[in-house]
Amino acid sequence: GAVVSQHPSWVICKSGTSVKIECRSLDFQATTMFWYRQFPKQSLMLMATSNEGSKATYEQGVEKDKFLINHASLTLSTLTVTSAHPEDSSFYICSASRQGAQEQYFGPGTRLTVT
Amino acid sequence: AQSVTQLGSHVSVSEGALVLLRCNYSSSVPPYLFWYVQYPNQGLQLLLKYTSAATLVKGINGFEAEFKKSETSFHLTKPSAHMSDAAEYFCAVCFNTGNQFYFGTGTSLTVIP
Repeated sequence: GAVVSQHPSWVICKSGTSVKIECRSLDFQATTMFWYRQFPKQSLMLMATSNEGSKATYEQGVEKDKFLINHASLTLSTLTVTSAHPEDSSFYICSASRQGAQEQYFGPGTRLTVT
Repeated sequence: AQSVTQLGSHVSVSEGALVLLRCNYSSSVPPYLFWYVQYPNQGLQLLLKYTSAATLVKGINGFEAEFKKSETSFHLTKPSAHMSDAAEYFCAVCFNTGNQFYFGTGTSLTVIP
């Protein structure tokens, strides 16, 4: 149990376009979902935390208007990178947690390449 | 401040040798501690977790870790390294206040044949 999927696993887009990444909890209800960004050879950096039906809470330095997060249901959260630029190229990982649980379950990640 | 530190960004061991990856945390409240492994271009896989039960925690793939409150440590060990253990390892801590995880900077493990 506690499987989290991400789609797509890899996306290449042109500079200036927007890209949507989906994160789904397949066999449990995720009251909270998290979005991380990971640069090569570096650790995960938390971008934002979202609770179902509420606005996401962004970490300091993360642009809300650039990284749009929607957590419309207990099994789906989306991250939209708007007007993507090459510097947005990175590995984006989502995680999900059940209500009252400390553990986060991680998705397999989405590699975004902006050309 | 609440944080986690991994000493040694790169660790190399010979195949069959002991693996020791270090993790120290700082916290004013009891922590929950996790070790994750990440293979290239993949997400994180949970190795083991400490959630205030037994201080010696056994995980998958022969790994284990011991929570030592007096040393604020949660080091990861494996008696005998295997080639397939070569990967990036992350220590993470979270607290009762919210579910936010704090990740260490990671340790890259190389296993030498």
